[in-house]
Amino acid sequence: DIQMTQSPSSLSASIGDTVTITCRASQGISRSLAWYQQKPEKAPKSLVYGASSLESGVPSRFSGSGSGTDFTLTISSLQPEDFATYYCQQYGSYPVTFGQGTRLEIK
Amino acid sequence: EVQLVESGGGLVQPGGSLRLSCVASGFTFSDHYMDWIRQAPGKGLEWVGRVRKKPNGYTTEYAASVNGRFSISRDDSTYSLYLHMNSLKTEDTAMYYCVRVKTGVAYNFDYWGQGTLVTVSS
Repeated sequence: DIQMTQSPSSLSASIGDTVTITCRASQGISRSLAWYQQKPEKAPKSLVYGASSLESGVPSRFSGSGSGTDFTLTISSLQPEDFATYYCQQYGSYPVTFGQGTRLEIK
Repeated sequence: EVQLVESGGGLVQPGGSLRLSCVASGFTFSDHYMDWIRQAPGKGLEWVGRVRKKPNGYTTEYAASVNGRFSISRDDSTYSLYLHMNSLKTEDTAMYYCVRVKTGVAYNFDYWGQGTLVTVSS
């Protein structure tokens, strides 16, 4: 199985900050990577697919990059609604696997 | 508007069985692979399994943790997805999400249901 490791596990930031979350795959997955946002008691929401393509309706302050084994999700100019938990996920091979999550909190 | 609505969760004893359902609307159900994802209380996301579409023979894939105990089926005529769970264990306690797999160039999960909670306990 491909292991997905996110860092950091938690992060504190202020409104207006720019933050970056990293996801590393235990083997190469080309660009078969997605990012999801989950708020408490809610289902996850898809943000990014193909490592860097934004889902329709996702604000442009979100951006993804990377290929192979190393990926990043960057959120620019943090807004109050961005404080949530973020997960990366690889879909390059079975079983589909997720990172452990990064909790983004307000400083 | 794409909607996925799960039902069928509840309290079940270890060793018991349960069937979860998901009714889809707002898109052509038969055009998509469909998956189940689960999330144990306070934990991360875990992929459960997939059912492909008719051109792919409705074939399935499962996580090792549920293989042989769970099965996924679909009924394209009623826009329904099912998760049949047998020999349930306490570690199967989780919120179960029905998810749509994106078509085309990616296979991420572009729409999620609200989830249905399964509790396995004596």
